[in-house]
Amino acid sequence: ILNVEQSPQSLHVQEGDSTNFTCSFPSSNFYALHWYRWETAKSPEALFVMTLNGDEKKKGRISATLNTKEGYSYLYIKGSQPEDSATYLCACSSNTGKLIFGQGTTLQVKP
Amino acid sequence: EAGVAQSPRYKIIEKRQSVAFWCNPISGHATLYWYQQILGQGPKLLIQFQNNGVVDDSQLPKDRFSAERLKGVDSTLKIQPAKLEDSAVYLCASKQGTIREQFFGPGTRLTVL
Repeated sequence: ILNVEQSPQSLHVQEGDSTNFTCSFPSSNFYALHWYRWETAKSPEALFVMTLNGDEKKKGRISATLNTKEGYSYLYIKGSQPEDSATYLCACSSNTGKLIFGQGTTLQVKP
Repeated sequence: EAGVAQSPRYKIIEKRQSVAFWCNPISGHATLYWYQQILGQGPKLLIQFQNNGVVDDSQLPKDRFSAERLKGVDSTLKIQPAKLEDSAVYLCASKQGTIREQFFGPGTRLTVL
């Protein structure tokens, strides 16, 4: 696993807007894809771990999809709230558990 | 269940000084990771332990960084001497068995002046 890319780097939305981020990764030697939410001064919190092509996972207003053949994952937030403001990290893992992270997408939700 | 504990939370030192960070993983988690997150970048793995043995330290700058996990529980990461480019957040994470999810501590924010 060489490089994990996330876009956009930052995002400012209004409360109530829906938004989505992209994570791109090499499709060869794929093992698992992780999404984390990292709020300032807190621990990164695991949102999803996905392994199968076509996987879709949901937690409240947040959902994620995975396409291992083309090497991308989308994270969606429906009806953004100020408490969703955080940096969202995606990472690919190898079979040893080593995580290769993207640079993150920082989301700011304005009330 | 208590989470991953790290201390200190913040540290400011001058270049060429030494610094040490401590991590206590979740009880029963055999695998422990140290990551370095430089501003604007994603976290990068420095070292991975399985119990008290090193699994991967390929990206650890061994001329100045060292880490140990002597009893297979808590771990210490040391930098000696520190450089300006070591300013970063140092994250500790732990994992149980074959479960994929890693649990992270709050990190130590290091500023080197």
